[in-house]
Amino acid sequence: NAGVMQNPRHLVRRRGQEARLRCSPMKGHSHVYWYRQLPEEGLKFMVYLQKENIIDESGMPKERFSAEFPKEGPSILRIQQVVRGDSAAYFCASLRFEGVETQYFGPGTRLLVL
Amino acid sequence: KQEVTQIPAALSVPEGENLVLNCSFTDSAIYNLQWFRQDPGKGLTSLLLIQSSQREQTSGRLNASLDKSSGRSTLYIAASQPGDSATYLCAVIRNNDMRFGAGTRLTVKP
Repeated sequence: NAGVMQNPRHLVRRRGQEARLRCSPMKGHSHVYWYRQLPEEGLKFMVYLQKENIIDESGMPKERFSAEFPKEGPSILRIQQVVRGDSAAYFCASLRFEGVETQYFGPGTRLLVL
Repeated sequence: KQEVTQIPAALSVPEGENLVLNCSFTDSAIYNLQWFRQDPGKGLTSLLLIQSSQREQTSGRLNASLDKSSGRSTLYIAASQPGDSATYLCAVIRNNDMRFGAGTRLTVKP
């Protein structure tokens, strides 16, 4: 899974600021998932994107959160006006169809809101 | 709505023991089930993927089983080593939906 890159690896923000998390999928992968892992909890699905298209955003909070995956460049998860409850690890995964759909995970971005 | 539960939440064993981690899910209409390992501060590493038509998969000292009818999967680790210490997550997969359990935190003591 070393092919999926996320940056930054650690991000510190003060309440009210914006957080931008980037995910570069493995070469040739055109589908990206974002997950959030809250402390002491499991991973929770947030959004599933194809290039220039949001396929499923049922796990994304309705306010302050948005995601995009442009034709060129990384996928971006944007959190506006962050609150302390947004502190978590955010993982992205890119999808590969190799007979079986397999998700390859990035190392995650750890967001800390002060 | 799919619910995934992992028991126990934490497990501590002496080196060399065989152990079993459990994963249960409420909706048996899944496509695949995947076990991951997560080391502190790190991302996820895929361990085993079991397709819905399969009953088990093996890789080295790891063996994962899947019983869709009862909504259960187990991850068996043989001859545990301190390097196995990590959090183990199971995830059930259906279409584009992947649901994770909260994980079992395993500590293997030398």
